[in-house]
Amino acid sequence: EVQLVESGGGLVQPGGSLRLSCAASGFTVSSNYMSWVRQAPGKGLEWVSLIYNDGKTLYADSVKGRFTISRDSSKNTLSLQMNSLRAEDTAVYYCARVNWGRGMDVWGQGTTVTVSS
Amino acid sequence: DIQMTQSPSTLSASVGDRVTITCRASQSISSWLAWYQQKPGKAPKLLIYKASSLESGVPSRFSGSGSGTEFTLTISSLQPDDFATYYCQHYNSYPWTFGQGTKVEIK
Repeated sequence: EVQLVESGGGLVQPGGSLRLSCAASGFTVSSNYMSWVRQAPGKGLEWVSLIYNDGKTLYADSVKGRFTISRDSSKNTLSLQMNSLRAEDTAVYYCARVNWGRGMDVWGQGTTVTVSS
Repeated sequence: DIQMTQSPSTLSASVGDRVTITCRASQSISSWLAWYQQKPGKAPKLLIYKASSLESGVPSRFSGSGSGTEFTLTISSLQPDDFATYYCQHYNSYPWTFGQGTKVEIK
């Protein structure tokens, strides 16, 4: 079964760091484009970052320079390193597989990040 | 950045109704548009890709149309399982952006 499972969310103080992980099963992360999308409480969806199968990375302006997307082929996982966290980064973070030309066709269940003192 | 604007923001409808949601892009995105359904506390689910192609496993009562800057999602006969929030999203260029969502409520 094709599945994504996120972990690593939690409560962090402003200025702190957190690393999210997304474990894939049923397909190979490094052979696909993968993305992170977030949703602030009661708000809509916001695209955060994408990694191509060749390793090229892209970021939304709101997180550029603070967040880093990466993958571990040996563990078949996707990660999001989040530094210099702000209150406005509080959200549920979803990882998703990008089926090129079709959109994001497989999503994880989400992990909650709360940035607060 | 390309702005995506959905209308209406909220829609009240009854089981069996035909429902149409509109999504407008601030510039042409060709047919690079997807529609997602999201239920409370759940991840989004891909319904339609490339503006009008039905994702595998999605009921045929869902359909999409449009190109350029104007797109529609239609549910031909609303079912109880369809009460949810719907988002459009373009993938024409970066950054990808979503519409603000349309909540379909029970009338």
